[in-house]
Amino acid sequence: DTGVSQNPRHKITKRGQNVTFRCDPISEHNRLYWYRQTLGQGPEFLTYFQNEAQLEKSRLLSDRFSAERPKGSFSTLEIQRTEQGDSAMYLCASSLDGTYNSPLHFGNGTRLTVT
Amino acid sequence: AQSVTQPDIHITVSEGASLELRCNYSYGATPYLFWYVQSPGQGLQLLLKYFSGDTLVQGIKGFEAEFKRSQSSFNLRKPSVHWSDAAEYFCAVADLDTDKLIFGTGTRLQVFP
Repeated sequence: DTGVSQNPRHKITKRGQNVTFRCDPISEHNRLYWYRQTLGQGPEFLTYFQNEAQLEKSRLLSDRFSAERPKGSFSTLEIQRTEQGDSAMYLCASSLDGTYNSPLHFGNGTRLTVT
Repeated sequence: AQSVTQPDIHITVSEGASLELRCNYSYGATPYLFWYVQSPGQGLQLLLKYFSGDTLVQGIKGFEAEFKRSQSSFNLRKPSVHWSDAAEYFCAVADLDTDKLIFGTGTRLQVFP
């Protein structure tokens, strides 16, 4: 069990640029979640996948955000035309089959700073 | 709507003292409740969870939590705090309709020697 891996750890970008983050979940985990955490707040749900299918997207996920999990393994989260309000920690988590049947394992996150 | 409230933003205790972090939830049915800990620059680690049964649940690192339905609470406790317990603690409830965790805003624990 190598844990959930997220890359990069930090990303600084200028407003208007596109950024992409990667998440590698624990290998046998079918579910993969993306959360966003801003300073002084708890993580807020963005979206999740069951294998390669994206099952739900939060209203927080505007049209500038897109997430994929093409082969049911790693996932990417892309933000187009970044805005300063996108600055946050983006957390990925995976679980075997669901939040209440098996625990979520979180990665260390990608901290995005938009200047 | 389901929600979690952690009324204490910041708590400071001395090493060796007891600890209680408060958590109140709002959920229509029987809640599935969790406590996570986050060290600086790190992801979240599960401390313990409650699904049903015994209302006092034991977790890792010497933590325990008690579910009280009458008070809609799920407070986290530890009898003797260690300096390494300094971190941010998040309470969460599982929204079974949408299959996601709803987190509170967290409590930052500071431990003095």
